[in-house]
Amino acid sequence: AQTVTQSQPEMSVQEAETVTLSCTYDTSESDYYLFWYKQPPSRQMILVIRQEAYKQQNATENRFSVNFQKAAKSFSLKISDSQLGDAAMYFCAYYNFNKFYFGSGTKLNVKP
Amino acid sequence: GAGVSQSPSNKVTEKGKDVELRCDPISGHTALYWYRQSLGQGLEFLIYFQGNSAPDKSGLPSDRFSAERTGGSVSTLTIQRTQQEDSAVYLCASSSRQGPSSYEQYFGPGTRLTVT
Repeated sequence: AQTVTQSQPEMSVQEAETVTLSCTYDTSESDYYLFWYKQPPSRQMILVIRQEAYKQQNATENRFSVNFQKAAKSFSLKISDSQLGDAAMYFCAYYNFNKFYFGSGTKLNVKP
Repeated sequence: GAGVSQSPSNKVTEKGKDVELRCDPISGHTALYWYRQSLGQGLEFLIYFQGNSAPDKSGLPSDRFSAERTGGSVSTLTIQRTQQEDSAVYLCASSSRQGPSSYEQYFGPGTRLTVT
């Protein structure tokens, strides 16, 4: 069965600094999708970034980028120039065969 | 509508009562998912719809849980004879199967269920 592991329950970063959130997953499949979602206190899940497993190039969305290591089954999220509005729970997710698997989340605190 | 909507936003019910949670997906999205999020936890998959059919019900925790989707749009998650362990936030998400945004899920705000 596919599992997604986020080993950092909570992290803190200074405003304007860079932080990296870790995610590993377990799968025997070669074609799948990976996502990072953000959940602020409002509870609304927001897509941050996605990565197709067949693409070698790491996805980037403005201040957010990923380091996708397929062989190592690792999918970390880097947030550059952290802002107060980045404070939230971040969930890593794996998708294949019509099903999503989510990690347990990392709470990110941003210090002014 | 512009996004996924869910109702009610909060529901408090007594143990043993039945509850219905509603999800309105984004218009045109054929796939719909229900998740449960317990306090401080990740998302637990419950059920997935493609159109009106549910090819994957493997996540439903017991036979007290059921869901349906009509007209390829609105979905209802029903919990019968609620128990205190059912207390959680229930999230709904929809996605399209076409175009560059395929497989991306768009989430509703969730329904917080409290069983007393």
